[in-house]
Amino acid sequence: QKEVEQNSGPLSVPEGAIASLNCTYSDRVSQSFFWYRQYSGKSPELIMSIYSNGDKEDGRFTAQLNKASQYVSLLIRDSQPSDSATYLCAGTIYNFNKFYFGSGTKLNVKP
Amino acid sequence: DADVTQTPRNRITKTGKRIMLECSQTKGHDRMYWYRQDPGLGLRLIYYSFDVKDINKGEISDGYSVSRQAQAKFSLSLESAIPNQTALYFCATSLPGGPNTGELFFGEGSRLTVL
Repeated sequence: QKEVEQNSGPLSVPEGAIASLNCTYSDRVSQSFFWYRQYSGKSPELIMSIYSNGDKEDGRFTAQLNKASQYVSLLIRDSQPSDSATYLCAGTIYNFNKFYFGSGTKLNVKP
Repeated sequence: DADVTQTPRNRITKTGKRIMLECSQTKGHDRMYWYRQDPGLGLRLIYYSFDVKDINKGEISDGYSVSRQAQAKFSLSLESAIPNQTALYFCATSLPGGPNTGELFFGEGSRLTVL
């Protein structure tokens, strides 16, 4: 089992809808979790981080962490065509020594 | 100018050639990383370094070597390139981790093609 797993998609949603991206992780990855956005041909950029169980909101983005079920999700409200990208879930092991990435979920937001 | 700079940005080479990818950063971070990205496989860690005297293997270090010449410079070498090393390579930096930190800052990537 990979440390961090994601559905590769593509996930297609209409403009204005809520996009829901999910990620599960193994027992090794337990410390902190991150969502990165990567546009085609570009480098990943951090959009959300979450360390505690529950929800964390930042503008149109909400990250959810459930440590008992070992999943992390990202909700994007009022999706825009500019949100079309690949979203990478990442987690760190104890002491933040390494980051493990999922394979990424491609999101298409249709006008 | 980018805080994390990679050179070259694109390189085409032949099987068996030695290749070096260079990374320099102006962020003042001690931690530096080399990742490889392949379609459908996400980012995989090749090597990482937490200071000039510290080098650690990642998930997929076979066929690669690194050198940390200074706090700001971290180079990745392919001693004898092979076609399955064709990929997009990213250098990244970070501060020491802890609660509410841990962000990776990526360079713009180096696309390597091995024929």
